[in-house]
Amino acid sequence: ETGVTQSPTHLIKTRGQQVTLRCSSQSGHNTVSWYQQALGQGPQFIFQYYREEENGRGNFPPRFSGLQFPNYSSELNVNALELDDSALYLCASSPDRGSNEKLFFGSGTQLSVL
Amino acid sequence: RKEVEQDPGPFNVPEGATVAFNCTYSNSASQSFFWYRQDCRKEPKLLMSVYSSGNEDGRFTAQLNRASQYISLLIRDSKLSDSATYLCVVYSSASKIIFGSGTRLSIRP
Repeated sequence: ETGVTQSPTHLIKTRGQQVTLRCSSQSGHNTVSWYQQALGQGPQFIFQYYREEENGRGNFPPRFSGLQFPNYSSELNVNALELDDSALYLCASSPDRGSNEKLFFGSGTQLSVL
Repeated sequence: RKEVEQDPGPFNVPEGATVAFNCTYSNSASQSFFWYRQDCRKEPKLLMSVYSSGNEDGRFTAQLNRASQYISLLIRDSKLSDSATYLCVVYSSASKIIFGSGTRLSIRP
């Protein structure tokens, strides 16, 4: 096991609603990144947080936002949900920032937007 | 053009065969490269890092070609348990991580 947990495992929302997904990183891992994975596609990088500050972002609109807390937990918030937001959302933690860091993934939250 | 491109497959090969995948990337300043494996409905897991000098881990060999901007993964003596989706991962910077769309591999008995 990776020691990274995500909740909830499944979630159903309707278009226009807001959702918060949660991730608990391995203790001591200062970096967390979030990904959106549509069916049949690779994970798409949403953003990365290091020591509670966003330090990298992919091509996602501002309605995707995040928080990282000192206790190694983090959140992904999505406002004004759209049908295309239906996907598996993965978080991954790593000990530090940097381009050689191994990513430890949680098992994901499956979000369905109706 | 996508920053990272992979042949989606599926590759369907018999047990014991050798199979190779390539992955191309567009940003010549990309810093590091990895292969991850993802089983159906599971999270990705690191398979191996990729270096210019090449690296080998048992039946798996990974190679980076910076001049042509691609990475490769070779699997020898394939096993049924190798059936999975293989994702190439490129750090275009320390804080931007790009996954390929994955190559599906199916090993048949």
